[in-house]
Amino acid sequence: DTGVSQDPRHKITKRGQNVTFRCDPISEHNRLYWYRQTLGQGPEFLTYFQNEAQLEKSRLLSDRFSAERPKGSFSTLEIQRTEQGDSAMYLCASSLVALAGANEQFFGPGTRLTVL
Amino acid sequence: GNSVTQMEGPVTLSEEAFLTINCTYTATGYPSLFWYVQYPGEGLQLLLKATKADDKGSNKGFEATYRKETTSFHLEKGSVQVSDSAVYFCAPFYGQNFVFGPGTRLSVLP
Repeated sequence: DTGVSQDPRHKITKRGQNVTFRCDPISEHNRLYWYRQTLGQGPEFLTYFQNEAQLEKSRLLSDRFSAERPKGSFSTLEIQRTEQGDSAMYLCASSLVALAGANEQFFGPGTRLTVL
Repeated sequence: GNSVTQMEGPVTLSEEAFLTINCTYTATGYPSLFWYVQYPGEGLQLLLKATKADDKGSNKGFEATYRKETTSFHLEKGSVQVSDSAVYFCAPFYGQNFVFGPGTRLSVLP
C-alpha cells in the first residue's frame, strides 16, 4: 500500500504525559499537512510543511504542540503535557505541489488520541 | 476569517432517492472548491472538485457546480445507493490549505 500511513492508530494517555505521532506521506509528495478532527466536526488545519520547511502554523497549534519533518519525508507531531481537550483524531495528509494553486490532498487513516 | 457553511445532518434517504447537500463559503478571494467523503472506518478521500466559476465537478454519479454569484457548491446525486452512506465534507481551498465544513452524515436505507 503506497498511501499515507499514520502510527499509532490509537493512543490512550494520562493527562500531563507527552505523546508523539508519526506520519509517512506518499513518497513523492512534497507537502505534508496535519489536521485535528473532533467528533462531529470537520478537520481543522494545524500546520503544513513543504519539504522540510514548516511554512504555516494555525493559532490552534499552542506551544505544547510541535511538528517536524527533518528530512522532508516522514513527519512527527508531539504534544507535551497533554490535556483532556487534546482528545481528538489527528489527521495527516500529503500532496504534490508543482505549481501554485489547490492540489488534492491524500489523507491517512488518522491517530485517535484519548487523554484520560 | 474564511469559513464554510454546510447543511446539517444527519440525512436519511431511501435507495434511489435524489440527494442535495448544500454548501456555501465566504467569498474571500477565489477559492478552489472540493467535496471530500469519509466512508465508515476509512480516511477522507476526494470526491470531486471545481477550480473556477461555473465549473462542474463530477465523480461516481455525484455533481457540484461552482456558483460564484451565490458562493455555493451544492452536492447532488440523482439516485443514491446504500454504498453512498458516509460523511461528506465541503472544503474550500484558501491560500495554502483547506477550510472544512462540519460534515453531513448521509444514511441510505435499502
